[in-house]
Order: sequence, then C-alpha cells, then structure tokens
Amino acid sequence: DVKVTQSSRYLVKRTGEKVFLECVQDMDHENMFWYRQDPGLGLRLIYFSYDVKMKEKGDIPEGYSVSREKKERFSLILESASTNQTSMYLCASTHLGTGADNEQFFGPGTRLTVL
Amino acid sequence: AQSVAQPEDQVNVAEGNPLTVKCTYSVSGNPYLFWYVQYPNRGLQFLLKYITGDNLVKGSYGFEAEFNKSQTSFHLKKPSALVSDSALYFCAVRYNYGQNFVFGPGTRLSVLP
Repeated sequence: DVKVTQSSRYLVKRTGEKVFLECVQDMDHENMFWYRQDPGLGLRLIYFSYDVKMKEKGDIPEGYSVSREKKERFSLILESASTNQTSMYLCASTHLGTGADNEQFFGPGTRLTVL
Repeated sequence: AQSVAQPEDQVNVAEGNPLTVKCTYSVSGNPYLFWYVQYPNRGLQFLLKYITGDNLVKGSYGFEAEFNKSQTSFHLKKPSALVSDSALYFCAVRYNYGQNFVFGPGTRLSVLP
C-alpha cells in the first residue's frame, strides 16, 4: 500500500519561529510537492521537486523554502512564521513516468496554526 | 494561463439521487484531467483521470466523469449518491510535458439522508 506521511497532523507555533514540515514517501517517486490549502482557494503550489537536490518555485513561494536531500524526503521550511501562514499544508508525490498522466498521492496534511 | 473552475461551492443532493459536480478548465495543449476527494481531516484521494480515448471514464466508489472537449468540461457524476459520499471534491488539470497540477477551488458535496 503506497504511503505519503507527514511528520505532524497538528502544529501550533509562535510568530517568528522557524518551522519544519517533513514529508516522506515510500513509493520511490521522483516528483514531490508542497501545497497549502485554504477555504475557497483550493490547493496552491508552494514548491515542487523533480529530483534530489532539485527544486522549483510554485505559485506562492514567498516566506517558504524547501529541502530535498534524499529521494524519499521533502521538507518545507518556514524561516520566520507569520500569522498569514496559518493553513493546512499538504505534501504529495507522483511518479515521473513517460508523461504527465500520473496521479498524485497525498499525505494526510499538517494543520499549522501560527499565533 | 491554466485555470480550473468549479462553479459551485456547495452541492446538496438527496441520498439515492444522481449527483453532478461541475468542472471547467482552460489550458493550452492537451489536458490531463483529474478528480480528487477529501474527507474531513484527511489528505486528498485520487478518484479518476482522463488521459485520452473514451470520453467517459470510470473511477473509484462508483464515480465517473465525462470529458467534453468542446465545452472544456470534466464533470464528475454518480448515478446514486450515498451519505458517505459527502466530502470536498477537487478537479485538477495537468498539461502536456508540464510538471504542475492546477487545482480548482473545490466543491463541497452534501448528501442528505
């Protein structure tokens, strides 16, 4: 059974703290993604990675950075958390395959609250 | 620019009745279209996808979706709704040779007993 896991389901942090969100997949997928989900806005792509040590900015990268040192692990970092980063964060992965037709597999999400 | 629209924030349907959740898209090139479902406090789960071929695709839990190129739509359907189908549904599109998925804003489906 394929699996994407995220380090925390719920997280509460204070403004200015450095926050690490970890994501691990066991499917040997090349591509990994970080989204944030906000009501009425759907999922917005923060960063994605198509290989180890490779990263690309998504639609809303400001205030975030990422790290992919190993193929199975993709970390999202909030360098200095702010209240407007309170959100649900979803990690996903997908096999590269021969084209763009492979679906994503999602983790359960991390609900982050920044006070 | 690519975009996905789900024109209804909320869809209510009685149990046993057919349901439709609408999705329209705007992309350049040939689209790959996906539906995902999200149950409360869970991540998204893949339901079905259209890649090529038959315009009617069947997926998990009895759901199906019809690709209509002329109307640039990919509506999700089920002949007989269950209360357990109540969830948040997302339409997504990916285009040829691209890496990114674009998601719609989501539609909350409520199936009433």
